[in-house]
Amino acid sequence: GQQLNQSPQSMFIQEGEDVSMNCTSSSIFNTWLWYKQDPGEGPVLLIALYKAGELTSNGRLTAQFGITRKDSFLNISASIPSDVGIYFCAGLTGFNKFYFGSGTKLNVKP
Amino acid sequence: DTEVTQTPKHLVMGMTNKKSLKCEQHMGHRAMYWYKQKAKKPPELMFVYSYEKLSINESVPSRFSPECPNSSLLNLHLHALQPEDSALYLCASSQVFSHSGKLFFGSGTQLSVL
Repeated sequence: GQQLNQSPQSMFIQEGEDVSMNCTSSSIFNTWLWYKQDPGEGPVLLIALYKAGELTSNGRLTAQFGITRKDSFLNISASIPSDVGIYFCAGLTGFNKFYFGSGTKLNVKP
Repeated sequence: DTEVTQTPKHLVMGMTNKKSLKCEQHMGHRAMYWYKQKAKKPPELMFVYSYEKLSINESVPSRFSPECPNSSLLNLHLHALQPEDSALYLCASSQVFSHSGKLFFGSGTQLSVL
């Protein structure tokens, strides 16, 4: 199947700091999605991207669809303790088959 | 409303039991999915239904049997499971599309097989 490389695997940051994470693939995707997951809960959709070069914001979150269509980036500004969780990227090639990155675990120290 | 509802929230079963997981959505989505997720790993696709027909089966063992009774409901029937099947089972839904769209997840069923 498709491989999505997500980095970093984990991050330990201070409250108020900005965070960046990314996903890369050897294949082209038509849609990139970013999710946040809390322990024991389902992933919650944060941002959806549909066009190469697209930059979309959701509050303190900003995500970009890479120009090559093989990568995507998520930035979180001014992190707060409730940002703690695991962030997943997901890419769609076609016909309802999504591929997930391995996740970035974010820890925020108050 | 972007809600996908899963029941039960937690399930403990023995290896000889038969149980079912249930999922419901009222967003008018015609694609529904089952994913399995182990701790600290990404969700793994198990099944996809499009227009109430099974369109993708990711070589899942037959002890897992999906069912889509109508466009709003999705079930996963479990029989003779193994301890290694313990995981978070996630239901998701989306519109049927080929190149763009959003996937919405339920909160999951945490399954423990003893």
